[in-house]
Amino acid sequence: AQSVTQPDIHITVSEGASLELRCNYSYGATPYLFWYVQSPGQGLQLLLKYFSGDTLVQGIKGFEAEFKRSQSSFNLRKPSVHWSDAAEYFCAGATDSWGKLQFGAGTQVVVTP
Amino acid sequence: DVKVTQSSRYLVKRTGEKVFLECVQDMDHENMFWYRQDPGLGLRLIYFSYDVKMKEKGDIPEGYSVSREKKERFSLILESASTNQTSMYLCASRPPGQLAKNIQYFGAGTRLSVL
Repeated sequence: AQSVTQPDIHITVSEGASLELRCNYSYGATPYLFWYVQSPGQGLQLLLKYFSGDTLVQGIKGFEAEFKRSQSSFNLRKPSVHWSDAAEYFCAGATDSWGKLQFGAGTQVVVTP
Repeated sequence: DVKVTQSSRYLVKRTGEKVFLECVQDMDHENMFWYRQDPGLGLRLIYFSYDVKMKEKGDIPEGYSVSREKKERFSLILESASTNQTSMYLCASRPPGQLAKNIQYFGAGTRLSVL
């Protein structure tokens, strides 16, 4: 079945340290991939998206993600986290540009001083 | 800025009650979606609508129905609420056309507790 998997349910990171969140996909063809962030009490906000072309995608809030076909991955990174990055992060995929999004289970990020 | 507004942030209902969750968007989007969000399961699509009076089942439609009488409003209905429908419900909207060009916007969510 087509799906998106986030292996890490919970990650704790120190403020100023780097962050990497994992996302693996299982689709027959190259999917359309997204990262969303949900801050406490908020709806989901789109961080970045990948459709084709350059495999390193830049997003908002200093985030980037790299599409790796060989590893079926689309990992999200940030070089130096801020306390305001504490949130839940969702990876999502779609099989075509008109399709419905499928979401991973989410990764909760806690930022410590 | 696009706004997707869910009428209630918190709702407490009793088992067997009929429950309406309302969602309104102000950007004239054709596509609207209802998801439920549960810990460890992410977001799962309940229903979506791509036009007024049009609806399609998502991945978990059982126990739910929807109504789209006007373009800006998409309602989720629990005909007879049960405790396993206690969850966070998120509404989203998106313009028609390709995902590459059109962002999906989310409301802040309604946390429903069924007692």
